[in-house]
Amino acid sequence: NAGVIQTPRHKVTGKGQEATLWCEPISGHSAVFWYRQTIVQGLEFLTYFRNQAPIDDSGMPKERFSAQMPNQSHSTLKIQSTQPQDSAVYLCASSLRQGAREQYFGPGTRLTVL
Amino acid sequence: QQNVQQSPESLIVPEGARTSLNCTFSDSASQYFWWYRQHSGKAPKALMSIFSNGEKEEGRFTIHLNKASLHFSLHIRDSQPSDSALYLCAVSTNAYKVIFGKGTHLHVLP
Repeated sequence: NAGVIQTPRHKVTGKGQEATLWCEPISGHSAVFWYRQTIVQGLEFLTYFRNQAPIDDSGMPKERFSAQMPNQSHSTLKIQSTQPQDSAVYLCASSLRQGAREQYFGPGTRLTVL
Repeated sequence: QQNVQQSPESLIVPEGARTSLNCTFSDSASQYFWWYRQHSGKAPKALMSIFSNGEKEEGRFTIHLNKASLHFSLHIRDSQPSDSALYLCAVSTNAYKVIFGKGTHLHVLP
């Protein structure tokens, strides 16, 4: 079991460019979560999928952020027109199923927007 | 909107000490409570969970939950240098949308 896989581990973009982050959840896990972690804000919930369907995206900045889960083996988080304030570690997590289950986190993607 | 606060922000203790970390939450409908531990540069990893009032012990770690006072805590007995990490408390009302506190940085000195 390789755990949750996230690629790339580090990404540097220029202001205004697009960034796409990838997540491969643990096989058999039906729930996938995206978080953003910064020193100032801590770990912030962004969005959640269950059985590939988007369930709750209340944490997503509406205008430039989008997330998809086209199949059970991967999810993507896309940030358009990146801004310096988007710089953070983006963490993906998966859990076995909904219902009081611990979440298994990937190693994260460190996004730096210059 | 759930508000989860942790205290202290940072804690330095000697090896062998008993350590206490605190977490308060604002939504009285909260039902699920976790502590996660994140070593520097690593992913957060679930440490312990509790879903009903009271106490739960696993090895050197104990969780206390008091829903009426909107408070739960993590106690570490015989703290070890390997316990040095960022400790995150997490709260959920529905078991999927989890709100994390900003964390307590624990440093255990050998």
